[in-house]
Amino acid sequence: GENVEQHPSTLSVQEGDSAVIKCTYSDSASNYFPWYKQELGKGPQLIIDIRSNVGEKKDQRIAVTLNKTAKHFSLHITETQPEDSAVYFCAAPTGAGSYQLTFGKGTKLSVIP
Amino acid sequence: GAVVSQHPSRVICKSGTSVKIECRSLDFQATTMFWYRQFPKKSLMLMATSNEGSKATYEQGVEKDKFLINHASLTLSTLTVTSAHPEDSSFYICSARDRDLSPLHFGNGTRLTVT
Repeated sequence: GENVEQHPSTLSVQEGDSAVIKCTYSDSASNYFPWYKQELGKGPQLIIDIRSNVGEKKDQRIAVTLNKTAKHFSLHITETQPEDSAVYFCAAPTGAGSYQLTFGKGTKLSVIP
Repeated sequence: GAVVSQHPSRVICKSGTSVKIECRSLDFQATTMFWYRQFPKKSLMLMATSNEGSKATYEQGVEKDKFLINHASLTLSTLTVTSAHPEDSSFYICSARDRDLSPLHFGNGTRLTVT
């Protein structure tokens, strides 16, 4: 099965700075990598995802990059705002052809005003 | 698009009683739904995969007689925690997708407290 490692576990940045969260995965056949944002007391919300046929995807202040050779993908948040403070989870398919996701352990991002 | 509604958001029950949590896909049909449990400051732990019209598939270590899952229609799955005990207190979250390769969307979770 898939093994997803996520770093760092906590991250504090000043408002306006950038934040980067990194994940590695073990199954070279994995082809889909979503990122979720979870606010306190709520369910995870999909913020961006990438498939293995592209190396980068952007959506306003959020971007995800994928390095298939190294088997890692990263979330980049630019011009951070206090409302970006949350726990972020990366994920990858649990196995070849699996519709389940294996999640990283999460990164608690704190944006300091 | 792709809204998953979970109810109730919070529930408090006494030891020994049962609690039912509902998960609905509001604007799409979901042949498969997933149920997760999340402990404080921890990641999501998959409990079971709920398939419409068939028995759920439980992850190793999850008691199927304790956590009853019913997926009676393409838009509704329920999780019933039977004979609840304080150690069952947790945050339970469901998720669903409308097609096999589409993104997974989550409900807002249910905070269960067993006293």
